[in-house]
Amino acid sequence: DAGVIQSPRHEVTEMGQEVTLRCKPISGHNSLFWYRQTMMRGLELLIYFNNNVPIDDSGMPEDRFSAKMPNASFSTLKIQPSEPRDSAVYFCASSLPGTPSDEQYFGPGTRLTVT
Amino acid sequence: QQQVKQSPQSLIVQKGGISIINCAYENTAFDYFPWYQQFPGKGPALLIAIRPDVSEKKEGRFTISFNKSAKQFSLHIMDSQPGDSATYFCAAISGGSNYKLTFGKGTLLTVNP
Repeated sequence: DAGVIQSPRHEVTEMGQEVTLRCKPISGHNSLFWYRQTMMRGLELLIYFNNNVPIDDSGMPEDRFSAKMPNASFSTLKIQPSEPRDSAVYFCASSLPGTPSDEQYFGPGTRLTVT
Repeated sequence: QQQVKQSPQSLIVQKGGISIINCAYENTAFDYFPWYQQFPGKGPALLIAIRPDVSEKKEGRFTISFNKSAKQFSLHIMDSQPGDSATYFCAAISGGSNYKLTFGKGTLLTVNP
C-alpha cells in the first residue's frame, strides 16, 4: 500500500487566496483526520471523519477553514481566505476500524506558506 | 491548556547512550499513551504505546515506563543510534474517545556518532 497520500507537498500562496489541500487515505481505513503542526502549538487535531461523516470539527480554528470527504478515498481541507498565520504543516491521517484505540497512519504532510 | 507536557525540548546523546524523554499528563481519563516518531519531511509514525494497567512495555531498544499515581510516563531508548535522530512525541487518548490524540510538544533527539 502506498500509505496516506497528500498533495501538494508544498504550497506557497498570497494572503487572501484560497488554498485546497488534498488527501487520499489508506484503502480500507474508515477514519480520517486532519492535523496542523506549528512550532508554537505543536500537533493539533482539526477535524475527524468517520465513514465520510464529520464527527468532530471542534479543532477547526475558524470559519475560514472547511473540510469535506465526498467519498471513502478522498478528502479536502480548504482555507478561504488564507492568512499568514495559517502557515504550517498540515497532515492527513487515517486509521483502521476497531477498538479501543486505532493506530493513526500519517501522510507526509503539506507545508503551507502564506505570504 | 496543555494537557500533556513533554520534556526536554531537545536532547543530544552520544551513540550507544540512553535517551530519556519524559511526559506528564493531567487528565485522569486518559487511558492509552502512544509515542510517535517523526523524521524530517515525514509524518509522525507510531513507535510504541502503553496502557496504564502495566508499568513498563519494551519493544527492542525502546521502553515505556509508566507511573499512574504520578501521572507520568517516559520513553527510554537504549543503545541510541544516529538513525534514532528524530522528533519524538508523546500522546494520550481518553477513554470513550478512540481517536482524539492529545500530543506533547515534541522532543528533538540528536544522536551523535
